[in-house]
Amino acid sequence: AQTVTQSQPEMSVQEAETVTLSCTYDTSENNYYLFWYKQPPSRQMILVIRQEAYKQQNATENRFSVNFQKAAKSFSLKISDSQLGDTAMYFCAFMNYGGSQGNLIFGKGTKLSVKP
Amino acid sequence: ETGVTQSPTHLIKTRGQQVTLRCSSQSGHNTVSWYQQALGQGPQFIFQYYREEENGRGNFPPRFSGLQFPNYSSELNVNALELDDSALYLCASSLGGRITNEKLFFGSGTQLSVL
Repeated sequence: AQTVTQSQPEMSVQEAETVTLSCTYDTSENNYYLFWYKQPPSRQMILVIRQEAYKQQNATENRFSVNFQKAAKSFSLKISDSQLGDTAMYFCAFMNYGGSQGNLIFGKGTKLSVKP
Repeated sequence: ETGVTQSPTHLIKTRGQQVTLRCSSQSGHNTVSWYQQALGQGPQFIFQYYREEENGRGNFPPRFSGLQFPNYSSELNVNALELDDSALYLCASSLGGRITNEKLFFGSGTQLSVL
């Protein structure tokens, strides 16, 4: 069974600085997707970034980028120029390629606080 | 804000009762997935409905059941409520039941408390 581990329950960063959130996962599959989701106090899960395992190039979305290390089964999220609005819970998630589209396996989350 | 709406936002029930949670998916989406998020945990996949048929199920007992209607809205029903069913229930809609490039759009959830 696939598992997703986020080893940092809480992190904080000063506004405008850079922070990296860690995620490791376990799977015997070769093709899969990895995601980072943000959950602000509104409780709505918002997709931050997505990575296809067959792509060697790391995904980037504006201030958000990932460091995907397939052999190490590591998938960290880097947030550059942190903003107060980035304060939220961040969840790393895994999905098998070819599985039900909505069947995401989530980690326990990292609570990120951006301080002014 | 996504177009996914869930009702009610909060609900209090007692052990042994039954509950129905509702989800209205984003316009044009034909797939709905339900998740349970216990306090301090990540969401756990309950099941998915695609064009009114169950299209995948997580490790939840049969007392968790669902429906999807012709307009693609959905219900999650939980029978014989237990204290451990207290959680945030999230609904997500998307286009296409199998793996695609379409992303999931989540609602803001229903917070269920079982006393």
